[in-house]
Amino acid sequence: EVQLVESGGGLVQPGGSLRLSCAASGFTFSSYSMNWVRQAPGKGLEWVSYISSSSSRMNYADSVKGRFTISRDNAKNSLYLQMNSLRAEDSAVYYCVRGEYDSLFDYWGQGTPVTVSS
Amino acid sequence: EIVLTQSPATLSLSPGERATLSCRASQSVSSYLAWYQQKPGQAPRLLIYDTSNRATGIPARFSGSGSGTDFTLTISSLEPEDFAVYYCQQRSIWPPYTFGQGTKLEIK
Repeated sequence: EVQLVESGGGLVQPGGSLRLSCAASGFTFSSYSMNWVRQAPGKGLEWVSYISSSSSRMNYADSVKGRFTISRDNAKNSLYLQMNSLRAEDSAVYYCVRGEYDSLFDYWGQGTPVTVSS
Repeated sequence: EIVLTQSPATLSLSPGERATLSCRASQSVSSYLAWYQQKPGQAPRLLIYDTSNRATGIPARFSGSGSGTDFTLTISSLEPEDFAVYYCQQRSIWPPYTFGQGTKLEIK
């Protein structure tokens, strides 16, 4: 059974940093690209970042480019999102999402909430 | 960036009725359009990919159609568990991947 379990969310002050983690199991993690997708309270879905299976390619939404860094450790079956210079508008539930055929979001974690507030 | 516009924003129907949800793209996405269902407090779930392919475990009452810029998700006969928010998403031209703003399917 495919499982994606996020952790690392919480309350942080504007300008602060947070590192999200996603532990994957039930599939060959190193064979799949991965993504982060977020959802602000009461809002829709926003893709945040993509990383290829071998980490050779990363992409970011314009809204987080230069502030967020996606990475992965295939030996640990883990995905990460380093978030710096956080803003109030970054407050959201962050989902770890597997990318079948690179861009098909077929499995989602349960999400970890991030709140940016003073 | 491809913009996806879903309509209607809210759809009020009764169990047993047929639901038709629309998604329009600002430019052609070929057949690379997916649909997701999200229930309150839960993560989204993939329903349909590449316009008309049901994801694993999705009941046959869910179907998708369309091409280019106009797409439809149809639920043939609504079950109580189908009342949720539905999002479309394109994977034709990325980054960025883009989602529609969602259609809330509510019980009438």
